[in-house]
Amino acid sequence: EAQVTQNPRYLITVTGKKLTVTCSQNMNHEYMSWYRQDPGLGLRQIYYSMNVEVTDKGDVPEGYKVSRKEKRNFPLILESPSPNQTSLYFCASSLWAQKNYNEQFFGPGTRLTVL
Amino acid sequence: DQQVKQNSPSLSVQEGRISILNCDYTNSMFDYFLWYKKYPAEGPTFLISISSIKDKNEDGRFTVFLNKSAKHLSLHIVPSQPGDSAVYFCAASVNTGTASKLTFGTGTRLQVTL
Repeated sequence: EAQVTQNPRYLITVTGKKLTVTCSQNMNHEYMSWYRQDPGLGLRQIYYSMNVEVTDKGDVPEGYKVSRKEKRNFPLILESPSPNQTSLYFCASSLWAQKNYNEQFFGPGTRLTVL
Repeated sequence: DQQVKQNSPSLSVQEGRISILNCDYTNSMFDYFLWYKKYPAEGPTFLISISSIKDKNEDGRFTVFLNKSAKHLSLHIVPSQPGDSAVYFCAASVNTGTASKLTFGTGTRLQVTL
């Protein structure tokens, strides 16, 4: 089954404790992206990657890191989480083709609470 | 600066009637528009899209209309069904040639009542 998986689905942590949220897709997609969803703000892009070893900042990258060492995986790293990073996080992937938009497939989400 | 706006946080419609969800945008560089549907505890799923060179796209019960001069698009669901109850996100894309960026609205919660 074609899908985007995220782990963990739920996480409660404390300020300053490094954490990683994993994202994996089995559709051989070049493009992957991380979003956060907050009440009244919709989904905002954190980082995206157009292929292995190619990443770039989205709209709200502060406090986050990403890496793309393999095509299927795109982990989101919070080196020193803070309470304002409490949010619902989504990973998404799509085929990449210049000058043509391709539908993004989303993972089920990770609800993160930073105390 | 919210470039994609959904001014109605919620909408309630009776089963069988038409649901109309609205979306406004400010960036004239957007060249592709999409609607995503989201159920609780799930990720958004793609519903329907429209290119900026068109003014209408239809897929079954779902139709998206684009009015470029007004920078406005709408999603029509006819007839509405209880299973359509979800949060709907409008999204817009700017394909810069080096990256295709997706900007989302804040979402409209649709409730279809019996």
